[in-house]
Amino acid sequence: EVQLVESGGGLVQPGRSLRLSCAASGFTFDDCAMHWVRQAPGKGLEWVSGISWNSGSIVYADSVKGRFTISRDNAKNSLYLQMSSLRAEDTALYYCVKDIGIAVSVYYFDYWGQGTLVTVSS
Amino acid sequence: QSVLTQPPSASGTPGQRVTISCSGSSSNIGSNTVSWYQQLTGTAPKLLIYSNSQRPSGVPDRFSGSKSGTSASLAISGLQSEDEADYYCAAWDDSLNGGVFGGGTKLTVL
Repeated sequence: EVQLVESGGGLVQPGRSLRLSCAASGFTFDDCAMHWVRQAPGKGLEWVSGISWNSGSIVYADSVKGRFTISRDNAKNSLYLQMSSLRAEDTALYYCVKDIGIAVSVYYFDYWGQGTLVTVSS
Repeated sequence: QSVLTQPPSASGTPGQRVTISCSGSSSNIGSNTVSWYQQLTGTAPKLLIYSNSQRPSGVPDRFSGSKSGTSASLAISGLQSEDEADYYCAAWDDSLNGGVFGGGTKLTVL
């Protein structure tokens, strides 16, 4: 059974940093691109960042470029999102998402975690 | 303001057929394939359609997708109460070099 379990969310002050983690199991982790998608309370889905199977291709949404860093450790079956200079508008439920393909531009998400909530507030 | 445009709401009665549209541009839908997601209240989204019209295993054939030019559509036939959910279209955008979603359509089964 495929499982994606996010952790690391919480309440953080504006301007501070936070690191999200996603533990993957039930599939061959290094056979897939991975992404982070977020959803602000009561709002729609927003793609945040994607990383190819071998970390050779990394892309970000303009809204987080220069502030967020995605990475993966295939040996540990884990995906990460380092978030810095956090803003109130980054408040959202962050989903770890598995892609069907190995490249980020395949962009078909066949498995989603349950999400970890990040709240940016003073 | 989402890059992909969807109607905010749609509705139908049980057994009816409803369609949800998704409008984009040459840099996203016009040059890449489309996927659709269903999000039931309080749950994570679920992949319904990928590659414009392909259904993952387990998705009923009541759900179908199509694409023409820079627009795509999701059709749900034989509408059921459990289809009441938010639906999102998605595509890769070559100009942005990133992924985009539609704003979502809330489907109500009357």
